[in-house]
Amino acid sequence: GAVVSQHPSRVICKSGTSVKIECRSLDFQATTMFWYRQFPKQSLMLMATSNEGSKATYEQGVEKDKFLINHASLTLSTLTVTSAHPEDSSFYICSASREEYNSPLHFGNGTRLTVT
Amino acid sequence: AQSVTQLGSHVSVSEGALVLLRCNYSSSVPPYLFWYVQYPNQGLQLLLKYTTGATLVKGINGFEAEFKKSETSFHLTKPSAHMSDAAEYFCAVSRGGADGLTFGKGTHLIIQP
Repeated sequence: GAVVSQHPSRVICKSGTSVKIECRSLDFQATTMFWYRQFPKQSLMLMATSNEGSKATYEQGVEKDKFLINHASLTLSTLTVTSAHPEDSSFYICSASREEYNSPLHFGNGTRLTVT
Repeated sequence: AQSVTQLGSHVSVSEGALVLLRCNYSSSVPPYLFWYVQYPNQGLQLLLKYTTGATLVKGINGFEAEFKKSETSFHLTKPSAHMSDAAEYFCAVSRGGADGLTFGKGTHLIIQP
């Protein structure tokens, strides 16, 4: 069964509003979660690394004030797209790994964001 | 820096034929290598991974991959394609531990009946 749950699976919002996406590890604690963005028919691009209890580490070119990441607990990380614009429309995927070394990353089922 | 190159954005094979998806990587440290499969509008499912040890790695659904350090390759194979194998396949590399993955651009596998 799914070990990483992502919610919502689809969201449509109006330009200028904010959208929150949740990523939960269901049966394990994840000190580190990752957020990816996938454009249509393209690969996944790592946006940021979310660390429980500390600030997220953003990849070069990702606006940290636009993509707010909060890792409030060992099982939950959230990505908030603030003041969304149509160009933010994309498929967002989170992943998490168990604390054991070399554990594989488990991916959520993704969130399809459409900004109108 | 790490990078992954997947040769062929689309690969088409007949049902029952050999599947070969190519992946080459570059890494400044010993790499951890992964193959993931993605079905439309879904997340990624791990097929197999290489970290250390045996260079021929067997995964789910009959897939396997061989790590060849001299060729910096990690090609994915399956002896006999099934219609249900049609999907997007991603090769990825990481440095291990709590490091994020660097993905290739993906290969869309098409299975012809």
